[in-house]
Amino acid sequence: DIQMTQSPSSLSASVGDRVTITCRASQSISSYLNWYQQKPGKAPKLLIYAASSLQSGVPSRFSGSGSGTDFTLTISSLQPEDFATYYCQQSYSTLGYTFGQGTKLEIK
Amino acid sequence: QVQLQESGPGLVKPSQTLSLTCTVSGGSISSGSYYWSWIRQPAGKGLEWIGRIYTSGSTNYNPSLKSRVTISVDTSKNQFSLKLSSVTAADTAVYYCAREPFYYDSSGTFNWFDPWGQGTLVTVSS
Repeated sequence: DIQMTQSPSSLSASVGDRVTITCRASQSISSYLNWYQQKPGKAPKLLIYAASSLQSGVPSRFSGSGSGTDFTLTISSLQPEDFATYYCQQSYSTLGYTFGQGTKLEIK
Repeated sequence: QVQLQESGPGLVKPSQTLSLTCTVSGGSISSGSYYWSWIRQPAGKGLEWIGRIYTSGSTNYNPSLKSRVTISVDTSKNQFSLKLSSVTAADTAVYYCAREPFYYDSSGTFNWFDPWGQGTLVTVSS
């Protein structure tokens, strides 16, 4: 199966900071990469699909880029409500979709 | 807007079968533009895709769980269901159902999960 590795696993940042989270696939997955945000006790919420398409209703400070094996999620100016855990997910192989281990974004 | 809601027993004994249902409201499960998926998350851990079903009844399962998983759909009730057999403590998790939109372009088929149900905790214990 395709392994997804996120870095860093945790990150401390301040309101207003620009933050980048990286996701690397164990093999090329073209642009079949999605990003989710999860807050404690809540279900994940879709932010970005197909590597760079912003889901309707998601603030424009969120953006995604990359293709092949390396992808990034960028938050241009952190807001208080953005502190959460972020997951990438590959949809390249329907033999088994897989998620990254998560990146916990905490307040500095 | 479409909403999903999981239901089922919160406690299952080891070696028994876990059974959950996801009820879809605000839209028809028979729409041809979506798959319907199950995903789980052990406490404090990451997300694991379990499998999906199309309204035709076609299914795909995670290879690591395939021998124990059955996903079915009941279009008359606008529901889809998960059965996981021979459970152990390792199957204790929050179980989510999710809609899986997809679209085709020249590159292939793109899929993602949106929206998700709120999740239901299933504990495997005697």
